[in-house]
Amino acid sequence: DGGITQSPKYLFRKEGQNVTLSCEQNLNHDAMYWYRQDPGQGLRLIYYSQIVNDFQKGDIAEGYSVSREKKESFPLTVTSAQKNPTAFYLCASSIVGANYGYTFGSGTRLTVV
Amino acid sequence: AQSVAQPEDQVNVAEGNPLTVKCTYSVSGNPYLFWYVQYPNRGLQFLLKYITGDNLVKGSYGFEAEFNKSQTSFHLKKPSALVSDSALYFCAVREYNQGGKLIFGQGTELSVKP
Repeated sequence: DGGITQSPKYLFRKEGQNVTLSCEQNLNHDAMYWYRQDPGQGLRLIYYSQIVNDFQKGDIAEGYSVSREKKESFPLTVTSAQKNPTAFYLCASSIVGANYGYTFGSGTRLTVV
Repeated sequence: AQSVAQPEDQVNVAEGNPLTVKCTYSVSGNPYLFWYVQYPNRGLQFLLKYITGDNLVKGSYGFEAEFNKSQTSFHLKKPSALVSDSALYFCAVREYNQGGKLIFGQGTELSVKP
């Protein structure tokens, strides 16, 4: 089955720690995206990548970092510089082209304890 | 610049009644429009899209959407709502000549009561 997998489903972080959220896809999609979702605020774009070894900042990139070393993988690191990291994080992938939508992962819920 | 608006934060409907979730968009060229649904603690699932052709697009789970170019709208509809349709719905847009990211609306919470 082709799809996009996010892990872990739930993640707890202590203050001052960096954590990395995993996103893997076997859809052969060139583009991958990370979104943050907070209650009542919709989806906010953190980073996106349309090709291996290249990525661009989205609307709320501060306190986050990404890498795109392989086509299949787009991990997101939430650094200690992110002051309010508790949120639901969604990864998506797509074929590059205007008439293609996104395929989403099932999300990771990050909680700072 | 591209944008999409969902004017209602919440829509309440009785089971069996028709439902409409509204979406308006702004693009400089021809739009590609999408609807997604999100159930609690899950990712977004694709419902339907408008690329070109018939203004009435049919999608998953009995949903359809009507593209109206003059009103720049793409409202989601279903003739008879089910309690299981209760979820968060997102509209999204991309310009015809832009292969980049989708622009999402803020989402509309649909609540269907028995």
